[in-house]
Amino acid sequence: SAVISQKPSRDICQRGTSLTIQCQVDSQVTMMFWYRQQPGQSLTLIATANQGSEATYESGFVIDKFPISRPNLTFSTLTVSNMSPEDSSIYLCSVGDGRYEQYFGPGTRLTVT
Amino acid sequence: GENVEQHPSTLSVQEGDSAVIKCTYSDSASNYFPWYKQELGKGPQLIIDIRSNVGEKKDQRIAVTLNKTAKHFSLHITETQPEDSAVYFCAAIVTDSWGKLQFGAGTQVVVTP
Repeated sequence: SAVISQKPSRDICQRGTSLTIQCQVDSQVTMMFWYRQQPGQSLTLIATANQGSEATYESGFVIDKFPISRPNLTFSTLTVSNMSPEDSSIYLCSVGDGRYEQYFGPGTRLTVT
Repeated sequence: GENVEQHPSTLSVQEGDSAVIKCTYSDSASNYFPWYKQELGKGPQLIIDIRSNVGEKKDQRIAVTLNKTAKHFSLHITETQPEDSAVYFCAAIVTDSWGKLQFGAGTQVVVTP
């Protein structure tokens, strides 16, 4: 399986600011995904990051709030914009072939005050 | 869309006993069913999976069974150990959904010595 790293591992941010989370994979992957895990909850897909094209967002998530970049096959970023306390969550990236196995990074723990 | 239900939400077992977690899914087009283990402060770890053309799969102390007719799949952990304590998530991928994982709500497993 691929080795996935995320930066930062955790952060505390003020309301109204933005944070960009990085996801780096040690090998080229077809699909990269971004998930949100609210405290004590399950995982919800935010968007699929497509290399060379715009990300595909799930219902309830919009590009203005969660802009995503995927400049190459090993790297993606997720920005959480104009943050509010409700954005306090764990943000996880995952990678896969789009059909079967999907592997997750360690997550970024975000607290918004 | 796909909906995955997971039971129980918490499971307490004595060390050495077996643990069973059950999930049901709604979309008959789902064809891949992974199980993830998430320890505190870490990202989800893929521990076992099953594809729709297989009824059962085993890996040492863990096994997964799939009943496509009833649309349910289960995780079985035998001879539980304290290090099995974690949150376990089932998930499903629908064919041609480009890898979108639909997660169950999670099961908190506590193994007491």
